[in-house]
Amino acid sequence: DQQVKQNSPSLSVQEGRISILNCDYTNSMFDYFLWYKKYPAEGPTFLISISSIKDKNEDGRFTVFLNKSAKHLSLHIVPSQPGDSAVYFCAASALAGNMLTFGGGTRLMVKP
Amino acid sequence: SAVISQKPSRDICQRGTSLTIQCQVDSQVTMMFWYRQQPGQSLTLIATANQGSEATYESGFVIDKFPISRPNLTFSTLTVSNMSPEDSSIYLCSVAYGIEAFFGQGTRLTVV
Repeated sequence: DQQVKQNSPSLSVQEGRISILNCDYTNSMFDYFLWYKKYPAEGPTFLISISSIKDKNEDGRFTVFLNKSAKHLSLHIVPSQPGDSAVYFCAASALAGNMLTFGGGTRLMVKP
Repeated sequence: SAVISQKPSRDICQRGTSLTIQCQVDSQVTMMFWYRQQPGQSLTLIATANQGSEATYESGFVIDKFPISRPNLTFSTLTVSNMSPEDSSIYLCSVAYGIEAFFGQGTRLTVV
């Protein structure tokens, strides 16, 4: 039973436009949510996080939105750049600093 | 953030042998986590390693197959024992600071 799901395996966006990556979860105990970017030969790189007491967190071009009642979060990247092309994972945790449960990932391709 | 060094970065091993992966962190942490990413899959937690106690393994992972050491607060090892081709994966160590979690660059293991 997948507790964290990313239903879009891939997304293609034009450079300069907005990329929206979505993530759904089922476990109501999750209170912390993180987004990671991963290149094939590297470990995941932390991008941005949000706790359940917030509905939005912004860091530069990256914004994460959390809809706790819908158990849904999204990552917005604007403007998208070709260097953003990678696999993006959302992850969730019930306790800060504890184990993470990952979604299946979305491959983002930003076309010049 | 944390600087996490993993060794080796990749290896090709014969079936039936064992490989020990090392993870060094640049600061002291209570918990270290070991994840596996099988080809085309998401990241799955293998075990949580606490200094001074036995590691806690997730369902589907056992100590005999994946023994873990945690001799101090900055270092851990994961051994993949009696390897088979199904063990071909990327193995990653991770540490958390507050909400945020950081990963090493991963060890890409191929078993032939």
